[in-house]
Amino acid sequence: GQQVMQIPQYQHVQEGEDFTTYCNSSTTLSNIQWYKQRPGGHPVFLIQLVKSGEVKKQKRLTFQFGEAKKNSSLHITATQTTDVGTYFCAATLNSGNTPLVFGKGTRLSVIA
Amino acid sequence: EPEVTQTPSHQVTQMGQEVILRCVPISNHLYFYWYRQILGQKVEFLVSFYNNEISEKSEIFDDQFSVERPDGSNFTLKIRSTKLEDSAMYFCASSPLGTQPQHFGDGTRLSIL
Repeated sequence: GQQVMQIPQYQHVQEGEDFTTYCNSSTTLSNIQWYKQRPGGHPVFLIQLVKSGEVKKQKRLTFQFGEAKKNSSLHITATQTTDVGTYFCAATLNSGNTPLVFGKGTRLSVIA
Repeated sequence: EPEVTQTPSHQVTQMGQEVILRCVPISNHLYFYWYRQILGQKVEFLVSFYNNEISEKSEIFDDQFSVERPDGSNFTLKIRSTKLEDSAMYFCASSPLGTQPQHFGDGTRLSIL
């Protein structure tokens, strides 16, 4: 089936360091969404990107959608312990009502 | 803020038994979904439901699985004859429209013995 590749699988950082996770697809994506899942919790929606080259910011989080709409990234500046969790990208491959395809997620650990 | 609610939070069942997982989506949402997450792995799509019928389903969603909206509020996932490999966290989600962000419930942890 269609795949959304996400790297890295794990990232351990010192508090205050930056963090980036990347998603790639061989297929042009209709849109991409990012979710955060805290340990033992459920995925929580963060952002949706729709336009080619789109960049959105939420405080210390910066989300980008590639020009070709085949890749996306989430960057966290100056991580805090509250950023701990697994970050998933999830893409819609076609327009309309098609299911989200999740990446495998990047598990972020922040060492105080 | 409205939430998706799921019951039970944890279900323990003997292999071969039937289980029904329940979800109450957000009231004005039109699209409903079930996902599965095996411990430590990614979230896997099972099925989407719109206008009282299945709109998409994955390869995982075989004949042992079924979904139902028995009334105006509940959305259920039934596994007819559970297998050990069905042990996972099952998340229900809903969205206003098919391409909009999905709101997830807290999940039901299904343990098959």
